[in-house]
Amino acid sequence: DQQVKQNSPSLSVQEGRISILNCDYTNSMFDYFLWYKKYPAEGPTFLISISSIKDKNEDGRFTVFLNKSAKHLSLHIVPSQPGDSAVYFCAASAYHNDMRFGAGTRLTVKP
Amino acid sequence: DAGVTQSPTHLIKTRGQQVTLRCSPKSGHDTVSWYQQALGQGPQFIFQYYEEEERQRGNFPDRFSGHQFPNYSSELNVNALLLGDSALYLCASSLAIGGGETQYFGPGTRLLVL
Repeated sequence: DQQVKQNSPSLSVQEGRISILNCDYTNSMFDYFLWYKKYPAEGPTFLISISSIKDKNEDGRFTVFLNKSAKHLSLHIVPSQPGDSAVYFCAASAYHNDMRFGAGTRLTVKP
Repeated sequence: DAGVTQSPTHLIKTRGQQVTLRCSPKSGHDTVSWYQQALGQGPQFIFQYYEEEERQRGNFPDRFSGHQFPNYSSELNVNALLLGDSALYLCASSLAIGGGETQYFGPGTRLLVL
């Protein structure tokens, strides 16, 4: 069951511009959302998270927005850098249960 | 601060064999979760261990079993390997109970079943 969906398998942006990665979910019980970044041959690296009691969380160049009514969250990276090129996974969990992941979006930032 | 470590990094097995993968959690963490990541997909939850007991389990058959030791390290065992078990196996550790707390991943063990 695909409770977390990332509908864009890839995204390409120019260095310095904004990258927007999107994620949709179907389970209204999810109360915690995370973004992970994954480089080849490495495990996913935690990037940023947001609780369902918030609608925005910011950490440096990374901001996550949560729209509970639309069951949608997005990750904004600004300005984008070539080192940001990686696969980004959206994940969600409900009441301290297991995390569900999306299929990932491959971001390419061109110099 | 030691992060999550996994061994081995790569493994090749044949159908029907058994395999054991190992994980040491991040220093200070007491909960270990295992995930299977097939090519082109996101990680799929296998199970989670806390206080040496399996607390949660995903939709995986009984061929997948695990163990957590008193030092919080963990093993994933897969019996009667199938070709479809070929994947990257990820271990993640966290502090406190269950998900909702941020999980930190190891580099993974890539298993190839021939």
